[in-house]
Amino acid sequence: HVQLVQSGAEVKKPGSSVKVSCEASGDSFSSQTFSWVRQAPGHGLECMGRIIPILSITEYAQKFQGRVTFTADTSTKTAYIELRNLRSDDTAVYFCARVIGVGGSSVFDVWGQGTLVTVSS
Amino acid sequence: DIQMTQSPSSLSASVGDRVTITCRSSQTISTYLNWYQHKPGHAPKLLIFAVSSLQSGVPSRFSGSGSGTDFTLTIGNLQPEDFATYYCQQSSNTLYTFGQGTKVEIK
Repeated sequence: HVQLVQSGAEVKKPGSSVKVSCEASGDSFSSQTFSWVRQAPGHGLECMGRIIPILSITEYAQKFQGRVTFTADTSTKTAYIELRNLRSDDTAVYFCARVIGVGGSSVFDVWGQGTLVTVSS
Repeated sequence: DIQMTQSPSSLSASVGDRVTITCRSSQTISTYLNWYQHKPGHAPKLLIFAVSSLQSGVPSRFSGSGSGTDFTLTIGNLQPEDFATYYCQQSSNTLYTFGQGTKVEIK
């Protein structure tokens, strides 16, 4: 049974960077797909993209292109998201989620607990 | 990008009510449509995948229907634990966009 455990809350200054981790338990980390989703205060869920560690594939939502990087360390079964040039509207809870295929559809079946990133001067 | 539009954005209902939430995609997504429930302070929870298939452990009062661009989530006999925000999500492409959410509140 896979569990995803994320790193703790962060407070950052505008213009700085943040890196959030997502450690997976269980097997087959590198062959799985992980997505990052964020929820800003008063807003809905926003998918930022995905990473497939075994294929070194990353895909980013256009909104975040150039400012975000997904990486993964297969030896520690940990996925990372780094967001640069932070702005106040990047204040949000960031979730990692595992993506699997079920019944012909891709779903986010296991989620991390979320990491609050606060951007404030 | 595929845009997902839900309606209503919020609704008030009572325990025992039947609730219907709609989701429309900006282009045809076949049956690549999922529904999630999200409560404050928790991670979202998968309810329904591929339009109408219930995730294991999800009560049968939840059901989904639709195809193409128009989809529906129905909660029959609303229970106290069902008050939450519900999101549709497309998986037709790998950007996996969500609808803006529908908050179900207690009347």
